[in-house]
Amino acid sequence: GDSVTQMEGPVTLSEEAFLTINCTYTATGYPSLFWYVQYPGEGLQLLLKATKADDKGSNKGFEATYRKETTSFHLEKGSVQVSDSAVYFCALSQASGGSYIPTFGRGTSLIVHP
Amino acid sequence: EAQVTQNPRYLITVTGKKLTVTCSQNMNHEYMSWYRQDPGLGLRQIYYSMNVEVTDKGDVPEGYKVSRKEKRNFPLILESPSPNQTSLYFCASAQDRVVETQYFGPGTRLLVL
Repeated sequence: GDSVTQMEGPVTLSEEAFLTINCTYTATGYPSLFWYVQYPGEGLQLLLKATKADDKGSNKGFEATYRKETTSFHLEKGSVQVSDSAVYFCALSQASGGSYIPTFGRGTSLIVHP
Repeated sequence: EAQVTQNPRYLITVTGKKLTVTCSQNMNHEYMSWYRQDPGLGLRQIYYSMNVEVTDKGDVPEGYKVSRKEKRNFPLILESPSPNQTSLYFCASAQDRVVETQYFGPGTRLLVL
């Protein structure tokens, strides 16, 4: 079945450092790919998405490119802030027969120090 | 304001005592779902609903029930809760099941003693 693998955390960075959180996926079809962010005590919210190969999603300084050849959707940000501290989830979704079960990675915790 | 609401936000109960967690969305979304979040396991889907009166099992449906009698509401029912159902639960909705954003509720933290 489909699966999403994220790098394990926590990822600890100083403010203004460069961020990369790796995400790779396994899927039989052509999924849509998402990054969600969960701030402490809150539900998940969409950060960015890409629906086809070579698409780049971007939001709030974060970017991720849908790479079909490497089945990856790595999250990057050039200069992180303390307020970016959160848990980040990579996810995919696609129609598969009559069912729909989106697949989430296990989440990567990001801690940014001043 | 577009939102998904869940109640209660926190719940402590005992084994075997039936409980219901409510979920409501005001965006006229057709698709709704329930997830549980556990440390080291990420989010796992419990049940989902494509529309009124249409529900289907997710990855971990055992011990849970749902109903979708109205478009806006999608309650999660635990008929006989057990300690292994202690978890953080999220309800979500989306207009399109594949490509559109899922909107998540704030979560319900459940402790079953």
